Amino acid sequence: SQQGEEDPQALSIQEGENATMNCSYKTSINNLQWYRQNSGRGLVHLILIRSNEREKHSGRLRVTLDTSKKSSSLLITASRAADTASYFCATDAYAAGNKLTFGGGTRVLVKP
Amino acid sequence: GAGVSQTPSNKVTEKGKYVELRCDPISGHTALYWYRQSLGQGPEFLIYFQGTGAADDSGLPNDRFFAVRPEGSVSTLKIQRTERGDSAVYLCASSRYRATNTGELFFGEGSRLTVL
Repeated sequence: SQQGEEDPQALSIQEGENATMNCSYKTSINNLQWYRQNSGRGLVHLILIRSNEREKHSGRLRVTLDTSKKSSSLLITASRAADTASYFCATDAYAAGNKLTFGGGTRVLVKP
Repeated sequence: GAGVSQTPSNKVTEKGKYVELRCDPISGHTALYWYRQSLGQGPEFLIYFQGTGAADDSGLPNDRFFAVRPEGSVSTLKIQRTERGDSAVYLCASSRYRATNTGELFFGEGSRLTVL
């Protein structure tokens, strides 16, 4: 079973708009990570947020973490056509050992 | 090499055949992971190696699946008596060892397995 579930499953926006996607999980975590996957390619790490952090930024990416609600969000600001990809959250849960459990992903289409 | 290398990139086989998929991790990464990804889904954990030993193989679906990492570097995922349901992209990832939590994973491009 998957620990994290992303919402929405798919998102279509115009270039320049912001894209927000959410991740909910079930059990206590060490950290939560976001990955990006272009069609037919491997996953690329975007950002890691620890359980004692609430917000983190990296370039046009902003990640929040609310451990009381067991949820995280990824915001991509000023989106570009090149941001078109699938985005996955992955949790490093205390109970799961040293491995990441991935959600089903959000497929983002940025139209030029 | 600079990144995680997986071979073959594509493998087409017939039902019942034996398949081996190879992963060459980033040099110095002691942790190695295998995941399986079906179309439109997220990666599903299969097995995790710390050095030469399988630290967690709880994701292997059944005893037709087996993985080795004899020298603590290259790993091979072996699938016996393949079934059509085994068709998926098999992803390998490596990371530096961290004792108390899982850090950033570096993924290969995957091996796409098609069982006819």
